[in-house]
Amino acid sequence: QSALTQPPSASGSPGQSVTISCTGTSSDIGGYNYVSWYQQHPGKAPKLMIYEVSKRPSGVPDRFSGSKSGNTASLTVSGLQAEDEADYYCNSYAGSTKVFGGGTKLTVL
Amino acid sequence: EVQLVESGGGLVQPGGSLRLSCAASGFTFSSYWMNWVRQAPGKGLEWVANIKQDGNEKYYVDSVKGRFTISRDNAKNSLYLQMNSLRAEDTAVYYCARALFDWSPFDSWGQGTLVTVSS
Repeated sequence: QSALTQPPSASGSPGQSVTISCTGTSSDIGGYNYVSWYQQHPGKAPKLMIYEVSKRPSGVPDRFSGSKSGNTASLTVSGLQAEDEADYYCNSYAGSTKVFGGGTKLTVL
Repeated sequence: EVQLVESGGGLVQPGGSLRLSCAASGFTFSSYWMNWVRQAPGKGLEWVANIKQDGNEKYYVDSVKGRFTISRDNAKNSLYLQMNSLRAEDTAVYYCARALFDWSPFDSWGQGTLVTVSS
């Protein structure tokens, strides 16, 4: 039950693209296509942005996309906007349990 | 509208106990796995526990096994977390979150309730 590994910070200018990585093991990310990503603004509850690696819930802009290769998942935010500035967390199914990444603070310059 | 409302947080001394509740509305509670997720001040999210629709399967993060117990009452549309032998490191905002299956994403969250363990 070790936490997934995310970079603590990422940044980009408005309109640019940024990719956040999330590295796990064959027991979590590598073993299942059940990776999800959450956006959290300060003082707010997390919001689901991506599920099952690359699917977007209704209402989430298509600027948000997800992918996976081996034990590493990635979240890409294209066409950065000011409101995208937030903390982002990856999460993976690990066989009846779940594990989060440590979180990445995304700054829009 | 889906609503999850946590309650029961507060200040408790180390070694003490607390019971959190989560009242659900706006969806068929008995059709969902339910989860507790916590966030220590200034830190990241940590999945704590989940419980199957009928309450017959429960899973916990290693750090709370033997101290915390998750339960539910489908007749009352409520989720609970009994926390015993509390430690300073259990200080966090505790969120309840729903998921259709144990592998499903957390698609709705409550606003959280703060638990502070301190003497």
